[in-house]
Amino acid sequence: DAGVIQSPRHEVTEMGQEVTLRCKPISGHDYLFWYRQTMMRGLELLIYFNNNVPIDDSGMPEDRFSAKMPNASFSTLKIQPSEPRDSAVYFCASSESSYGYTFGSGTRLTVV
Amino acid sequence: KQEVTQIPAALSVPEGENLVLNCSFTDSAIYNLQWFRQDPGKGLTSLLLIQSSQREQTSGRLNASLDKSSGRSTLYIAASQPGDSATYLCAVSPLTGGGNKLTFGTGTQLKVEL
Repeated sequence: DAGVIQSPRHEVTEMGQEVTLRCKPISGHDYLFWYRQTMMRGLELLIYFNNNVPIDDSGMPEDRFSAKMPNASFSTLKIQPSEPRDSAVYFCASSESSYGYTFGSGTRLTVV
Repeated sequence: KQEVTQIPAALSVPEGENLVLNCSFTDSAIYNLQWFRQDPGKGLTSLLLIQSSQREQTSGRLNASLDKSSGRSTLYIAASQPGDSATYLCAVSPLTGGGNKLTFGTGTQLKVEL
């Protein structure tokens, strides 16, 4: 397996634009997580899915953020409209039940 | 709310030294604890996972211990090498109500010098 695949690796966008981050989890993993990493706040859980169903989105900072998982092999995290304070590295991770996580390489988002 | 703290925030050691990284958490009702490694500009790599019923896990030169009652874990790295230079993060998952979600510490940035 190629691991958790995220795209794009880097994204630079202007304030107010819509940004969509993509994730392909490891086949067979039933959990998918979206995390955000910043210098100030470290790694924060935004939302996670179990069997494609959103379970906990309490970490989503505002209504500008939304996430979907239309099937077991694909998830998106969308920010609309984007703001400079959204600049961070966004990680997707997947796991099989209670076993260890596998993280993607992340998407570095810069909003100018 | 669970809080995870890692001390020290940064550590620089000469090659070959044995070292200990510390992790503490405020809520002892955990399901498991994991140690991760993060290289600059990269994602996280899982190193060791300790279930709440376990006391320690070992993988090669790495040994992680867990004292759930006191809310502490340590990661012991034996005979450190320059390739061990990275940021090490610990993370805990809750016993109830949280599924598999993790709360991360802020990490210890390790540099092993030649």
